[in-house]
Amino acid sequence: DTAVSQTPKYLVTQMGNDKSIKCEQNLGHDTMYWYKQDSKKFLKIMFSYNNKELIINETVPNRFSPKSPDKAHLNLHINSLELGDSAVYFCASSRRTSVAGELFFGEGSRLTVL
Amino acid sequence: AQTVTQSQPEMSVQEAETVTLSCTYDTSESDYYLFWYKQPPSRQMILVIRQEAYKQQNATENRFSVNFQKAAKSFSLKISDSQLGDAAMYFCAYRSGLGGGDKIIFGKGTRLHILP
Repeated sequence: DTAVSQTPKYLVTQMGNDKSIKCEQNLGHDTMYWYKQDSKKFLKIMFSYNNKELIINETVPNRFSPKSPDKAHLNLHINSLELGDSAVYFCASSRRTSVAGELFFGEGSRLTVL
Repeated sequence: AQTVTQSQPEMSVQEAETVTLSCTYDTSESDYYLFWYKQPPSRQMILVIRQEAYKQQNATENRFSVNFQKAAKSFSLKISDSQLGDAAMYFCAYRSGLGGGDKIIFGKGTRLHILP
């Protein structure tokens, strides 16, 4: 059983389209995240939800909208895709009350915008 | 704001040798956590080791160990008996301990090559 799973793993789309990436975790964690990894491998946090409540919202264009229907799911919807949105998007989860609160990552979703 | 710096974009080591990856961080907090993550070509991010700042003892996980120097704000990763499977990007990361800090900040990574 995959602990943090994302779908789709690969996504190729045209500029201007709207797309979504879904994430689910079965670890019983209360906090979920979206990270963006650019072509230089730099990992930057985008959003974080704790028990369905948005707690971190970094400087991300309004075209990106996260949604957490419950604490096991965190989806990312992107409107009007641009070339610069091409990246690998990682979903992650953690337990706030654990000692170090390390992140458990999904396998990433590679988005390519043409 | 906290920052994490990995000054070595790439490193190479001979198989079976030992290599040390550097990481420094900047923070005004006294309570925090540090991590090393590994990202092999498969893209999966894997936790290698973690260190609680309140612990003086350096963390160890099999062939992986850290040298945590709190005063110097340094957190290096030592890989002993390097194996081909250790080839990957390695990321140093920081998490605030205040109020269960929810943001984990990553360094830019070090690409490690293992030479057979």
